[in-house]
Formats: sequence, C-alpha cells, structure tokens
Amino acid sequence: GAGVSQTPSNKVTEKGKYVELRCDPISGHTALYWYRQSLGQGPEFLIYFQGTGAADDSGLPNDRFFAVRPEGSVSTLKIQRTERGDSAVYLCASSGDTDTQYFGPGTRLTVL
Amino acid sequence: AQRVTQPEKLLSVFKGAPVELKCNYSYSGSPELFWYVQYSRQRLQLLLRHISRESIKGFTADLNKGETSFHLKKPFAQEEDSAMYYCALSNNAGNMLTFGGGTRLMVKP
Repeated sequence: GAGVSQTPSNKVTEKGKYVELRCDPISGHTALYWYRQSLGQGPEFLIYFQGTGAADDSGLPNDRFFAVRPEGSVSTLKIQRTERGDSAVYLCASSGDTDTQYFGPGTRLTVL
Repeated sequence: AQRVTQPEKLLSVFKGAPVELKCNYSYSGSPELFWYVQYSRQRLQLLLRHISRESIKGFTADLNKGETSFHLKKPFAQEEDSAMYYCALSNNAGNMLTFGGGTRLMVKP
C-alpha cells in the first residue's frame, strides 16, 4: 500500500510569511509524528498525535508552530511569522499496532 | 533527559571490510533502541530494533546497558550499504524518537 506522503516536497517562502505543511499518514495508522531535521543533524521531535489529539507537543520550539489533525488522519503543521532559522526538512511519520514509525519523504522548507 | 551520540560523522571502508557504527545513549529508564537508514534519494527507514534481536541485510546490533551503547556491526561491507545511518532511542511511552546526529557510511569498491 501507499506509504506516508507529504506535500509540498519543497517550499520557499520569505521571512515573516505563514506556511502550512501537509502529511498523509498510512491508512489506518492512529499515531502521527512530526520531526524537524536541520542540515547535518538528526531528526528532532516536534509533536505526536494519537488520533485527533496532540498527546505530546513538547518538541514545538515556540508558539509560532502549531499542528492539527482534525479527523485523525491528515495532519497540517503550521508555522507563523517564519524565520530564517526555521529552514529545515520537516518529516512526518506514522505508526500502527507495531509502533514502528514509517517516515514520509519530507518537506524542505527554505525561508529567505 | 535522553540523548543519543554518534561520534563519527563519516566512516569510509573498503568493500569486504568489517564495519562498526558507534552509538551511545543516555536515558534514565529502560531504553528501546533503533537503527534507521537513509539511502540516497530515499526516505528514512527502519533497519533494526534491539528488541527484535534480528539481523537485517547482514547488520546486527547488541544493546550493552553497562556501556550504554548500541553499536551497529556488519562483518563484510557491501557497496550498497553506503548510506546515512541514524541511531535512535524511544522513550518509555514509545511516542517519540530521539535521534543521534547520524553517520555517513561510504563503502569503496
């Protein structure tokens, strides 16, 4: 079946703009995770959803970052007033019964 | 706080040579450790997890709680093993992964 998909694959924006990044998890997976990967580093946890609710948002760096999953499937990561330091690859993962996390291809965000 | 350290950014070996990618961790609870791999132009994927105690593509990893290590080993490297390798730790609730900085393995012909 289809794996985790993320759109767009690339996003270029200007400092101060608002962006939305979308994640489509594997069908039937109840858990969904967002990570951020800066150049030369490993992925860093941002937020975890179990169903529709954010069960752990301890990794969100500040209140400019917000994520939703209104119907327990697709999730959107929203970043307000983007800064150059937000430039990174944003990864989404989902897991089902085995809790193995399956990753999407990522969205590369560039803030000019 | 949990932390994963991969001391080598780059490891270069010749085909057929043994490989060991190092991973050390710090965690106050009972850890669950993973190795993820990312081949060129592909997404991050699970290679193996310590609770499975299995060998995948000839790779093995043993959890050493005394040394807080989870090194990845393969006796004879192949060119197709060239990739980025990330060691990761799961918290007790199993809802987040903490990754190391990654090691790029290059296997030369």
